Amino acid sequence: NAGVTQTPKFRVLKTGQSMTLLCAQDMNHEYMYWYRQDPGMGLRLIHYSVGEGTTAKGEVPDGYNVSRLKKQNFLLGLESAAPSQTSVYFCASSYGRQGTEAFFGQGTRLTVV
Amino acid sequence: ILNVEQSPQSLHVQEGDSTNFTCSFPSSNFYALHWYRWETAKSPEALFVMTLNGDEKKKGRISATLNTKEGYSYLYIKGSQPEDSATYLCAFDPSGGSYIPTFGRGTSLIVHP
Repeated sequence: NAGVTQTPKFRVLKTGQSMTLLCAQDMNHEYMYWYRQDPGMGLRLIHYSVGEGTTAKGEVPDGYNVSRLKKQNFLLGLESAAPSQTSVYFCASSYGRQGTEAFFGQGTRLTVV
Repeated sequence: ILNVEQSPQSLHVQEGDSTNFTCSFPSSNFYALHWYRWETAKSPEALFVMTLNGDEKKKGRISATLNTKEGYSYLYIKGSQPEDSATYLCAFDPSGGSYIPTFGRGTSLIVHP
């Protein structure tokens, strides 16, 4: 049972390059989330989705775009990477009903030089 | 942006010590409070979901209490072991029908042998 899978696990980008991070879940969860983790900042919500075809902004959405074309996949895009986007990115999913837990992927460490 | 505070930010204890730390959250619009355990180089995993004022949850040597009226939760670890070393995150789950958790910055616990 794979749970939540993120690809890639590591990536180095040059400033201005673009890339897409893929999150896939096999638990039939409605909700999916993208967080970034920076030292001393905990987990900050970038974007989230409450179902296939829907997306919404979180706390720190600037510089990122997302898409949820299929229920099991949630893509995070960086159109023009900046050094400030150097971070560890975590995807998570949940049933969305309150009181249920979120399941996290293993994280993607992204460095923008 | 909801204000979820955790203290202390970090904690060093000796093996066998008991310890506790705090999560404070808005006392209005409360639905649930989640605790997650996050080991280095892994992804966060759910420990407890707490919904009722006065709730107390226990898992082995780890327990948690909840006070929704004053907006805080305590996590206790009895007889800390090196394998308890991790960051402990709390997440506030507001009422409103959807699970869009707001995480605190976490308490980093290091247990020295």
